[in-house]
Amino acid sequence: KNEVEQSPQNLTAQEGEFITINCSYSVGISALHWLQQHPGGGIVSLFMLSSGKKKHGRLIATINIQEKHSSLHITASHPRDSAVYICAVRDTGNQFYFGTGTSLTVIP
Amino acid sequence: NAGVTQTPKFQVLKTGQSMTLQCAQDMNHNSMYWYRQDPGMGLRLIYYSASEGTTDKGEVPNGYNVSRLNKREFSLRLESAAPSQTSVYFCASSWWGLSAFFGQGTRLTVV
Repeated sequence: KNEVEQSPQNLTAQEGEFITINCSYSVGISALHWLQQHPGGGIVSLFMLSSGKKKHGRLIATINIQEKHSSLHITASHPRDSAVYICAVRDTGNQFYFGTGTSLTVIP
Repeated sequence: NAGVTQTPKFQVLKTGQSMTLQCAQDMNHNSMYWYRQDPGMGLRLIYYSASEGTTDKGEVPNGYNVSRLNKREFSLRLESAAPSQTSVYFCASSWWGLSAFFGQGTRLTVV
């Protein structure tokens, strides 16, 4: 059972391109999180959202509660954005469910 | 620095050996978690502690035990390591309305 599905699994982009990563979930949630994991590295929380849209620098996250769908957008992508992006949802019991991640490579 | 501190970063064990992974957070979070991350799979919950003195099994608890020593510390113990437990382990903490904070991970190899 996969409570959280992400697409695409892998993504290669040229520097400067606009990037979209999608996340669909099947459980009732209290919040959705977007996480970033660099190679060999730890996991960092980028966004936590329960409705609407959030923006931080070149990153934008949106969520549609009715459709159970979220997107992470990266504008003007840069090689340092290369990482695995993970969608996670927190259910009403304070448990997290994670997608398998989207591996992004941005080529100079 | 505030955050989640997890030790060790790397460990190699022989089959049958035991070890304890340590985790501490200084953000006064009630909830703490242990996950494992394997290639091609999302993070999977091993054990969860909603508050000091309570622990609950997650999706993959077999072969592991945990202790919530106090509000800050949540340790994960492998009593008799098996090659199937080769993985990257992450400790995390959170509370309602807050983001999850993760430790740096422990890369464990069981040979």
